[in-house]
Amino acid sequence: KQEVTQIPAALSVPEGENLVLNCSFTDSAIYNLQWFRQDPGKGLTSLLLIQSSQREQTSGRLNASLDKSSGRSTLYIAASQPGDSATYLCAVSRSGGGADGLTFGKGTHLIIQP
Amino acid sequence: AAGVIQSPRHLIKEKRETATLKCYPIPRHDTVYWYQQGPGQDPQFLISFYEKMQSDKGSIPDRFSAQQFSDYHSELNMSSLELGDSALYFCASSPRLAPLDDSSYNEQFFGPGTRLTVL
Repeated sequence: KQEVTQIPAALSVPEGENLVLNCSFTDSAIYNLQWFRQDPGKGLTSLLLIQSSQREQTSGRLNASLDKSSGRSTLYIAASQPGDSATYLCAVSRSGGGADGLTFGKGTHLIIQP
Repeated sequence: AAGVIQSPRHLIKEKRETATLKCYPIPRHDTVYWYQQGPGQDPQFLISFYEKMQSDKGSIPDRFSAQQFSDYHSELNMSSLELGDSALYFCASSPRLAPLDDSSYNEQFFGPGTRLTVL
């Protein structure tokens, strides 16, 4: 059974710092990996999607990398801002594509101090 | 841009009652997924549909059922509600299956959720 782990569980940093969130998964037979942002009591906003054949994806100040063979992904946030404060979730889709459900990690709760 | 629509946004039910949650996917998305997120928990996949047929099944209780209709909207039917069913229920949709070289292939977009409270 696929298990997804996110480290750290919580992180508090001053505004302007660059930071890295980590995600690991036990079964490397994934189809893709998605990073989401969730504000308290709200829905999930897709940040980046990395296909299993890709190594990284970038969107603005966000960069996500994927090392499928070692079962790891990182989300890099540059020049953090207070508006980045949220819970960041990593999720993987198992191999086979189609309409497979995602397996989520428990998230990293991020606080950016003004 | 149009997003996934879920209704109702909030629902309060008594134990043993039934509930129906509705999901309207993003236009031209033909795949729908349902997730349950308990308080302080990560989302758990329940079930998915592609072209009106069940595609994948997760930890959906036998008391729950779902279907996708000809206009691609989906409904999650929940019976004999229990206190433990209180949670946020998310629907997600993804675009029509694309060639494997499409970088957005199978990206899931989530709705705002339905908060179900069982008393």
